[in-house]
Amino acid sequence: DVKVTQSSRYLVKRTGEKVFLECVQDMDHENMFWYRQDPGLGLRLIYFSYDVKMKEKGDIPEGYSVSREKKERFSLILESASTNQTSMYLCASSLYGQSNEKLFFGSGTQLSVL
Amino acid sequence: AQKITQTQPGMFVQEKEAVTLDCTYDTSDPSYGLFWYKQPSSGEMIFLIYQGSYDQQNATEGRYSLNFQKARKSANLVISASQLGDSAMYFCAMRETGGYNKLIFGAGTRLAVHP
Repeated sequence: DVKVTQSSRYLVKRTGEKVFLECVQDMDHENMFWYRQDPGLGLRLIYFSYDVKMKEKGDIPEGYSVSREKKERFSLILESASTNQTSMYLCASSLYGQSNEKLFFGSGTQLSVL
Repeated sequence: AQKITQTQPGMFVQEKEAVTLDCTYDTSDPSYGLFWYKQPSSGEMIFLIYQGSYDQQNATEGRYSLNFQKARKSANLVISASQLGDSAMYFCAMRETGGYNKLIFGAGTRLAVHP
């Protein structure tokens, strides 16, 4: 089975801190995604990557950056955390190509910025 | 722009009964895919069912079926014989055009199954 692992389940940070959220997948998937989940808004795409060192902005990239130095790892970076970035962050991965390819998700990181 | 709408913030159902969770979508692309995911309180997103826009039959996976009405742009999830373990958030999603398997999600419906 595909496993997508997010390094932290809960994280508490201070305003202005630089925050790294790590995600690792073990099935050689080309595509990786970072979503943010907020009540009443569902999941919104922050960034995605379709290959090593390749990245594309999603719908809400402001205040975030990403890094993909290895195929299995996709990191989300909050350069200077703000309280409005308090949220659940979900990482996902998928194969490239087939239209019915589903996304496999990690368990999520609940980030609180104080 | 593509959009997914789930109009039911919360639903409840009695154990062993069937329940329908609504999902409507908007797209001008003739080729698209629709997904349903379940998110229990543990937080992990669990894939339930997929429907392609050209699929002739409604998708089914065990107790889950997708009532796909293309002309109405609706893709409702039907859960038969509800179980207590079905209590969770349910998200409808659509593959965006342009490849890369990006999904856009609805706001979700929280389902509570009562004994």
